[in-house]
Amino acid sequence: EAQVTQNPRYLITVTGKKLTVTCSQNMNHEYMSWYRQDPGLGLRQIYYSMNVEVTDKGDVPEGYKVSRKEKRNFPLILESPSPNQTSLYFCASSFLSSGTDTQYFGPGTRLTVL
Amino acid sequence: DQQVKQNSPSLSVQEGRISILNCDYTNSMFDYFLWYKKYPAEGPTFLISISSIKDKNEDGRFTVFLNKSAKHLSLHIVPSQPGDSAVYFCAASEDFGNEKLTFGTGTRLTIIP
Repeated sequence: EAQVTQNPRYLITVTGKKLTVTCSQNMNHEYMSWYRQDPGLGLRQIYYSMNVEVTDKGDVPEGYKVSRKEKRNFPLILESPSPNQTSLYFCASSFLSSGTDTQYFGPGTRLTVL
Repeated sequence: DQQVKQNSPSLSVQEGRISILNCDYTNSMFDYFLWYKKYPAEGPTFLISISSIKDKNEDGRFTVFLNKSAKHLSLHIVPSQPGDSAVYFCAASEDFGNEKLTFGTGTRLTIIP
């Protein structure tokens, strides 16, 4: 089944404890992206990747890191999480190297930072 | 600053009637627009898109209208069905092929049976 998977789905952690949210797609898509969803703010793009080893900042990259060493994986790293990073996170991928091509989203990761 | 705004956080519509969801943007460079739909506990799914060279695009019950001079787009759903109850996000980009996508704040649509 063609899909985008994220792990974990739920995570509660404490301030400063490094964490990684994994994202994997099995559709051989070129483009991958991370978003966060917050009440009243909608979806905001954190980072995106147009291809392996090519990443760039979205609108809210502060406090996050990403890497794209393989085409299928695009992990989101929070080196020192803070409570303002409590949010619902979505990974997405698309066939073309473009944010405007149809993006296929994962099911989301709900992160709470205490 | 929120470049894409959906000023109605929620909307309730009777089944069978028309649902109209609105979206305003401030960046005059935006010229490609999309709508995504999101059910609870799921990721968003693509619904329909429109390029600035058109002012209307239809796909079945869904029609998107674009008014570039007003920096406004709307999504019409006719007739509305209970399965349309979801959160709808509009999104904008400076051109088709651009890597960045800016989403709006979302409108929760509830269809009343």
